[in-house]
Amino acid sequence: DAGVIQSPRHEVTEMGQEVTLRCKPISGHNSLFWYRQTMMRGLELLIYFNNNVPIDDSGMPEDRFSAKMPNASFSTLKIQPSEPRDSAVYFCASSLRVGVGNSPLHFGNGTRLTVT
Amino acid sequence: SQKIEQNSEALNIQEGKTATLTCNYTNYSPAYLQWYRQDPGRGPVFLLLIRENEKEKRKERLKVTFDTTLKQSLFHITASQPADSATYLCALQANSGYALNFGKGTSLLVTP
Repeated sequence: DAGVIQSPRHEVTEMGQEVTLRCKPISGHNSLFWYRQTMMRGLELLIYFNNNVPIDDSGMPEDRFSAKMPNASFSTLKIQPSEPRDSAVYFCASSLRVGVGNSPLHFGNGTRLTVT
Repeated sequence: SQKIEQNSEALNIQEGKTATLTCNYTNYSPAYLQWYRQDPGRGPVFLLLIRENEKEKRKERLKVTFDTTLKQSLFHITASQPADSATYLCALQANSGYALNFGKGTSLLVTP
């Protein structure tokens, strides 16, 4: 089991550029989550998918953020255009089943995004 | 609004002692509560899950309590070791959906 795989690990980009973060969940997991972590706000849920369908994107901060899950083994989070305040660590996590209260989340090691 | 509060001050303890971390919550009616460990540069790693009808749960040197009246969970590490140094996060399922909401975590430093 390779765990949740995220790429890239680090991304440095200039304001206004498009950024795409990638995630491969654990095989067989039905739910996928994107979180953002900053010192000030901690871990914030951005969006989650169940069986590849977006269920709740109310945490996506602005229309500049979009996420897709074209199949069970791949998801992307895109920021276009990026701004310095988007600088954070972005985590992808997957879970075996819906109703995560009783199902652990498995996190990737994150993408550290720096927007200058 | 829903809140999950953990002590923002780092906890420094001596090796061999018991570390106790606190998680308080408001405006949640959780059926479950989870604890995670996060090391620098890594994603959170699941440690323990406790159900609302379980007062206490143990796993090796870890013990979690869950008091739904006080709206509080305590996380204990007995016989602490320097390798236990990390940030510990508690998490609850949001009332409005299926996702987990996290506290900001408490940093634990165990010194030899």
